[in-house]
Amino acid sequence: DVKVTQSSRYLVKRTGEKVFLECVQDMDHENMFWYRQDPGLGLRLIYFSYDVKMKEKGDIPEGYSVSREKKERFSLILESASTNQTSMYLCASSPWTTGGDTQYFGPGTRLTVL
Amino acid sequence: SQQGEEDPQALSIQEGENATMNCSYKTSINNLQWYRQNSGRGLVHLILIRSNEREKHSGRLRVTLDTSKKSSSLLITASRAADTASYFCATDRGADGLTFGKGTHLIIQP
Repeated sequence: DVKVTQSSRYLVKRTGEKVFLECVQDMDHENMFWYRQDPGLGLRLIYFSYDVKMKEKGDIPEGYSVSREKKERFSLILESASTNQTSMYLCASSPWTTGGDTQYFGPGTRLTVL
Repeated sequence: SQQGEEDPQALSIQEGENATMNCSYKTSINNLQWYRQNSGRGLVHLILIRSNEREKHSGRLRVTLDTSKKSSSLLITASRAADTASYFCATDRGADGLTFGKGTHLIIQP
């Protein structure tokens, strides 16, 4: 079974703090994704990565950055957290294909920024 | 931008009844997928249907795809309380992965 883990289920941070959300997958998948999920807005893609050290902006990259130093790990960074970044953050991975393949999700991190 | 849009936004039925959810999308696709999310958890892949397929089954799930109408439906037969969850359709966006709809929240009343 594919396993995608996220470092925290719940996180509370203060405005202006630097926040790291970690995601690890154990299936040697090439593709990894970060989404945020908000009521009424569904899932929105923040960043994704096709390979180590590669990253691509999704639909809402502002205020975020990512790091992929190893194939199995994809980190989402909030350089200076703001209250409008309070959300559920979901990480996913998929094998490399021509695109649009099944994605495997982690359990999510619910981040609250005070 | 949102590609898939689910309908209805919320659905409440009695246990044992069938639940039908619909998804409409705007542009051409290679495949369409359905995912389930239990409250406060990650998404779980249910089924994938390719653009050259019209119907697909998996257990109590039946998915149809009508590319001429740019729509898909997910039918859950003989619903159970454990089927209570949010259901999302997702359309492929080529090399950039998937675009998810806003979901249908399904409640199964015991």
